Amino acid sequence: ETGVTQTPRHLVMGMTNKKSLKCEQHLGHNAMYWYKQSAKKPLELMFVYSLEERVENNSVPSRFSPECPNSSHLFLHLHTLQPEDSALYLCASSQDSSMNTEAFFGQGTRLTVV
Amino acid sequence: SQQGEEDPQALSIQEGENATMNCSYKTSINNLQWYRQNSGRGLVHLILIRSNEREKHSGRLRVTLDTSKKSSSLLITASRAADTASYFCATDANTDKLIFGTGTRLQVFP
Repeated sequence: ETGVTQTPRHLVMGMTNKKSLKCEQHLGHNAMYWYKQSAKKPLELMFVYSLEERVENNSVPSRFSPECPNSSHLFLHLHTLQPEDSALYLCASSQDSSMNTEAFFGQGTRLTVV
Repeated sequence: SQQGEEDPQALSIQEGENATMNCSYKTSINNLQWYRQNSGRGLVHLILIRSNEREKHSGRLRVTLDTSKKSSSLLITASRAADTASYFCATDANTDKLIFGTGTRLQVFP
């Protein structure tokens, strides 16, 4: 138990569906992240939020839309995804976005796009 | 772009043996971190070593850092079956991003 909770753990969606991934942390951290992990590829940083403001958007397609309503919650809204978007989506948090401290990861959401 | 690259990609050993994994990176760093991931689960932080440190210990784990060679190693001593997992290095590459390598898959046989 890392203190970062992701829901759902598994999600299967069609290419025309709209769904959302949720991440919650009660560690008092100020920075939250979305990563994508595909088979045999390095973890890809998608978005970084610091103090509820987006500070990084790594050229992620607009079909992925993040939302950070407060410092404890982070969402990833999904719309008209492609099969190649199937992956493990990991949320993480850290004390701040300076990367001088460890990141705490959730268990991930295994997404399958059919 | 990929910053850290672990070597070997896969490693199989018997319980009780030591496991050594290496990480090479490309740009200067402020710190380097090692994480562990059980299959299909989230990553768990193991050790953070700063650029002015050369070695760090945590239980059965020993991490070294050689900034002149841009490399780090993770040694797990007296391995156990429960150590079976993927191990990743991550660097900040002097940015506000944590960039991961592709990982080493470690299998420890009882």
